[in-house]
Amino acid sequence: DAKTTQPTSMDCAEGRAANLPCNHSTISGNEYVYWYRQIHSQGPQYIIHGLKNNETNEMASLIITEDRKSSTLILPHATLRDTAVYYCIITGANSKLTFGKGITLSVRP
Amino acid sequence: GAVVSQHPSWVICKSGTSVKIECRSLDFQATTMFWYRQFPKQSLMLMATSNEGSKATYEQGVEKDKFLINHASLTLSTLTVTSAHPEDSSFYICSASDRGGHSNQPQHFGDGTRLSIL
Repeated sequence: DAKTTQPTSMDCAEGRAANLPCNHSTISGNEYVYWYRQIHSQGPQYIIHGLKNNETNEMASLIITEDRKSSTLILPHATLRDTAVYYCIITGANSKLTFGKGITLSVRP
Repeated sequence: GAVVSQHPSWVICKSGTSVKIECRSLDFQATTMFWYRQFPKQSLMLMATSNEGSKATYEQGVEKDKFLINHASLTLSTLTVTSAHPEDSSFYICSASDRGGHSNQPQHFGDGTRLSIL
């Protein structure tokens, strides 16, 4: 599976959009971009995934660049409960997940 | 939908005992389940993958005789830590996905089991 690079941490103000970047320059054509998050002492929560097209669901939007070498997870209106570690993971269809260190998002009041 | 329940949430036991952790998919059939371990301040590490009705596939460095996995039904997988020792203390997390329908289904995770061996 392709490797991902994420900043170590970032913060944003409550109510503002949180834009979490991820680089995956070695992604191959049949690999998906997945995003999960883990709130302290809980299991990871699935957020969204995509292959080529941008995706949106009730939690977030996923923007994938045309060359697929990077993507951005957007939380449109961050709340304090969105404070968590966010993992960007590249994997083939129905393949296992390899968790990196992720990015710690801190939402401030 | 896609709820995974894990039990127990936490367990404390003496060194040398065996501990069983259950993972259930509540509203879907989990053809594949995964078991992860997470040590403090570290990321999740995959231990093994199990498909219903077949033997689990263990990741390199994970002792299959130490961590027994049973996936006897489409809604239940169990992980038994045999003869547990303090170094086995960790946060154990299961996930499940339904690969019997559409392809590329995401994994959904339980809330984890915090295991402390005294």
